[in-house]
Amino acid sequence: GENVEQHPSTLSVQEGDSAVIKCTYSDSASNYFPWYKQELGKRPQLIIDIRSNVGEKKDQRIAVTLNKTAKHFSLHITETQPEDSAVYFCAASEVTPLVFGKGTRLSVIA
Amino acid sequence: SAVISQKPSRDICQRGTSLTIQCQVDSQVTMMFWYRQQPGQSLTLIATANQGSEATYESGFVIDKFPISRPNLTFSTLTVSNMSPEDSSIYLCSVEESGGNQPQHFGDGTRLSIL
Repeated sequence: GENVEQHPSTLSVQEGDSAVIKCTYSDSASNYFPWYKQELGKRPQLIIDIRSNVGEKKDQRIAVTLNKTAKHFSLHITETQPEDSAVYFCAASEVTPLVFGKGTRLSVIA
Repeated sequence: SAVISQKPSRDICQRGTSLTIQCQVDSQVTMMFWYRQQPGQSLTLIATANQGSEATYESGFVIDKFPISRPNLTFSTLTVSNMSPEDSSIYLCSVEESGGNQPQHFGDGTRLSIL
């Protein structure tokens, strides 16, 4: 089955800097890669996703890149703000359900 | 996206008892899932709730401990049976609105503490 590795487990950045979170997956058949943001005590919320026929997708300050050959995908957050502080989870699947990474705790320091 | 209502939002239970968690969606959805999230951990899939048939359980989870119902396309329940302190966790309902590897959305979760 699919296995998703996520790094780093914790990340601290200064406000205004960029943050990058990386994930690798094991199943070359996986074709859907979403990212979720979970604030303390809240539900995981989908923030961006990408499918295997696309190499990059951007939505305002967040972007996701996918390298199918290397089987890794990354979340990029630019101009970070304190409200970006949360735990971020990557996930992968060929068919549902999703397999999640272990999460990255992002702290944005004002 | 679909609005997912989960209840109770939290509960404190005695060991040996059982609790049923409900998940109600405001529209018909193809897929419903139940996840467990232990403190500070990732999301672990318990099972896929299948409408009109037995749920599909992931390795390490069994029907006797986590019976699941899904009587229609908008509702599912998860029961945590014969609870022990190790069952203290957040239990989350998730839905995929249509088939074919579409985005999953989560309910607010049920925070369960076992004394």
